[in-house]
Amino acid sequence: GQQLNQSPQSMFIQEGEDVSMNCTSSSIFNTWLWYKQDPGEGPVLLIALYKAGELTSNGRLTAQFGITRKDSFLNISASIPSDVGIYFCAGQLSSFNKFYFGSGTKLNVKP
Amino acid sequence: GAVVSQHPSWVICKSGTSVKIECRSLDFQATTMFWYRQFPKQSLMLMATSNEGSKATYEQGVEKDKFLINHASLTLSTLTVTSAHPEDSSFYICSARDIASYEQYFGPGTRLTVT
Repeated sequence: GQQLNQSPQSMFIQEGEDVSMNCTSSSIFNTWLWYKQDPGEGPVLLIALYKAGELTSNGRLTAQFGITRKDSFLNISASIPSDVGIYFCAGQLSSFNKFYFGSGTKLNVKP
Repeated sequence: GAVVSQHPSWVICKSGTSVKIECRSLDFQATTMFWYRQFPKQSLMLMATSNEGSKATYEQGVEKDKFLINHASLTLSTLTVTSAHPEDSSFYICSARDIASYEQYFGPGTRLTVT
């Protein structure tokens, strides 16, 4: 199957700091999604990206669809304790196709 | 917003028994639902794509006779783990694709423990 490389694997930051994580693939995707998962719960969609170069914000979160269509990044500004969780990227090769998930980035925020 | 529910949220069963997990889209219709499995500290792995009114499509390595999927209506898909074994213990998550927007929404997950 498709491989999505997500980094970093985990991060420990201080409250108020900005954080960045990214995903890369060997294939060209037409859709990138970013999800957050809290312990024992299902993933919740944060941001969806549909066009190369697209930059989309959702509150303190900003994500971009890479120009090459093989990568995407997620930024979180001014982190707060409730940002703690695991963030997953997901990519889709074409419409109506299945999504492939990255391995996740575990974010820890120290108050 | 779009809501997907799963029932039960957690279940413990004995080895050799079967367990059924339901996935419902509460306020939208979904011709396609997806079933994922997530082991501790790992990512989501797609098991199968459930299509309303037709047979499910299974990913390579997933036994279709062990993981029975039924998608009988536009709001309900079920996953039955047959003859469960301890190695089937996992977090099972479904998602449903909204027929109108094509957005995919996840359920809260079902934690299965097989003793």
